Amino acid sequence: QVQLQESGPGLVKPSETLSLTCAVSGYSISSGYYWGWIRQPPGKGLEWIGSIYHSGSTYYNPSLKSRVTISVDTSKNQFSLKLSSVTAADTAVYYCARHLVVVTATNFDYWGQGTLVTVSS
Amino acid sequence: QSALTQPASVSGSPGQSITISCTGTSSDVGSYNLVSWYQQHPGKAPKLMIYEGSKRPSGVSNRFSGSKSGNTASLTISGLQAEDEADYYCCSYAGSSTFNVVFGGGTKLTVL
Repeated sequence: QVQLQESGPGLVKPSETLSLTCAVSGYSISSGYYWGWIRQPPGKGLEWIGSIYHSGSTYYNPSLKSRVTISVDTSKNQFSLKLSSVTAADTAVYYCARHLVVVTATNFDYWGQGTLVTVSS
Repeated sequence: QSALTQPASVSGSPGQSITISCTGTSSDVGSYNLVSWYQQHPGKAPKLMIYEGSKRPSGVSNRFSGSKSGNTASLTISGLQAEDEADYYCCSYAGSSTFNVVFGGGTKLTVL
């Protein structure tokens, strides 16, 4: 049973960097798949932030690319998100998920429970 | 890349069938890319319901089915049940010159 768990501060000040970690259990990140971050502002829809392959290759949402860094630590079986220069618009529930990408399709099959990050002074 | 277009809300009575549309462009839904669909109950994480356009993960009821025509993908739920009331999102790979993934705006399903 693949399980993902997000962790990190629930409150971040404007202009600072949001940092979250996703711990994976029941599956070794080194075995394959992409691993992604998705966010959902309160009362709004889902937005893909970016994904990382177990080898370290990264792909980011073009609209967030300048502020996002995703990294992986295979020794701890976890991956992390950093989002810099945050504003109130970055307030959202942040989810991590296992991300399958094939030639014809993409999907997120296992999700963490999500963690609310509020940007406020 | 813009989000995929979904109706804001749909409704149906128990036992009926409903269809949720997801309209994109020739760069995402309309290309060879196959859509995935997610169900989200309030306060919960999304759950994968359909992948690669029409396939169901293990454990998902066969009342859920997916299809595509041109630039529009569809999710059909037959034999509506009270527990189907939730938000539904479509998702597609949207890369042309760059890797990108887009979601639809979401559809609120109400079971009357």
